[in-house]
Amino acid sequence: AQRVTQPEKLLSVFKGAPVELKCNYSYSGSPELFWYVQYSRQRLQLLLRHISRESIKGFTADLNKGETSFHLKKPFAQEEDSAMYYCAPPSGGSYIPTFGRGTSLIVHP
Amino acid sequence: DTEVTQTPKHLVMGMTNKKSLKCEQHMGHRAMYWYKQKAKKPPELMFVYSYEKLSINESVPSRFSPECPNSSLLNLHLHALQPEDSALYLCASSQGSGRAVDTQYFGPGTRLTVL
Repeated sequence: AQRVTQPEKLLSVFKGAPVELKCNYSYSGSPELFWYVQYSRQRLQLLLRHISRESIKGFTADLNKGETSFHLKKPFAQEEDSAMYYCAPPSGGSYIPTFGRGTSLIVHP
Repeated sequence: DTEVTQTPKHLVMGMTNKKSLKCEQHMGHRAMYWYKQKAKKPPELMFVYSYEKLSINESVPSRFSPECPNSSLLNLHLHALQPEDSALYLCASSQGSGRAVDTQYFGPGTRLTVL
């Protein structure tokens, strides 16, 4: 089964600091990975996905096949970025939907 | 309408009760999902419906019974639940194109408490 690993349970930074949330994948097949975000008292929603290669709310994620990683980065964290972030491997087709364990990002003022 | 809706928002039930959770989407999506989410944990997949047919059942106890009456609706029937079943139940939908790049759209969830 496709599997992703998020090594950090919690990441705490100050406003304006760079942020990198790590995600490594350990399966063969489509590396079409996703980042989902869950803000406090809001629904889980897509942040960005590899296939789109876009930047959302200042976040980017680059697929590194050599390191089998899809780390989420933002150069300057904002307080409103505080949330739970989940990396997810592809779902649909023959892939069973699953999520990484999540990283809680806390951005201090 | 680009949202997944879920009712009720909150549900408190006893272990002998029978209740149902409802999920609805009008985005023309053909795949719908039920997840269970405990506090500070990722969502755990329970069921997947694809074109109104159950395609994945992640070994969920029979006290949870899903139903997909049509392509827009998904129900989860609950009976004889245990206190450890208390959690946030999330519904999601996706295009169901069969490609491995389907984005999932989530509802706000039903907060279930079993007494």
